Amino acid sequence: AQKVTQAQTEISVVEKEDVTLDCVYETRDTTYYLFWYKQPPSGELVFLIRRNSFDEQNEISGRYSWNFQKSTSSFNFTITASQVVDSAVYFCALSEGGYNTNAGKSTFGDGTTLTVKP
Amino acid sequence: EAQVTQNPRYLITVTGKKLTVTCSQNMNHEYMSWYRQDPGLGLRQIYYSMNVEVTDKGDVPEGYKVSRKEKRNFPLILESPSPNQTSLYFCASTLGLAGTNEQFFGPGTRLTVL
Repeated sequence: AQKVTQAQTEISVVEKEDVTLDCVYETRDTTYYLFWYKQPPSGELVFLIRRNSFDEQNEISGRYSWNFQKSTSSFNFTITASQVVDSAVYFCALSEGGYNTNAGKSTFGDGTTLTVKP
Repeated sequence: EAQVTQNPRYLITVTGKKLTVTCSQNMNHEYMSWYRQDPGLGLRQIYYSMNVEVTDKGDVPEGYKVSRKEKRNFPLILESPSPNQTSLYFCASTLGLAGTNEQFFGPGTRLTVL
């Protein structure tokens, strides 16, 4: 069975601090996809990034960066120089690909609530 | 505008009164899915559909039904709602059959069952 663990329930930082959100996943499939979504206080769910299991390259997008390590089954998300607008709930998610019984299933972590104080 | 729409956005009902939450997408996506969001539990998948007339259970399907008669629509049916189905519900769609691309989410439906 697939599983996603976001051990940090809540994180509070002061503006301009760097912050890392942890995500650990479990899967038996060799083909899988990892995602991060953001849910701001307004409630909508916003896609941030998708990474497939064959691509371990880290990615940077502005102040956001992602570190994917298959050896530790982790897909961590770092916000550099955090801003108040980064305050949101962040979800890590896993979908399995390939021809297996879990194809189509999507598993989300419980989310990490990030509060950035001015 | 590419979007996923859900109706109603808010609903208060009573135990046992059948209800349907509609979901529609205009992106010609094959894959659609329903989630419920409860405090501290993240999003849990209720049902998903990889194409027309193809539906399957997610992690929490009990008490729910779905149908996929047309590609654009994926209604969620609660035949006999109970208070433990009070939750925030999201519909999502994505390109491809297996749900392995980014999902586009509807605005959510907040359901209260008294």
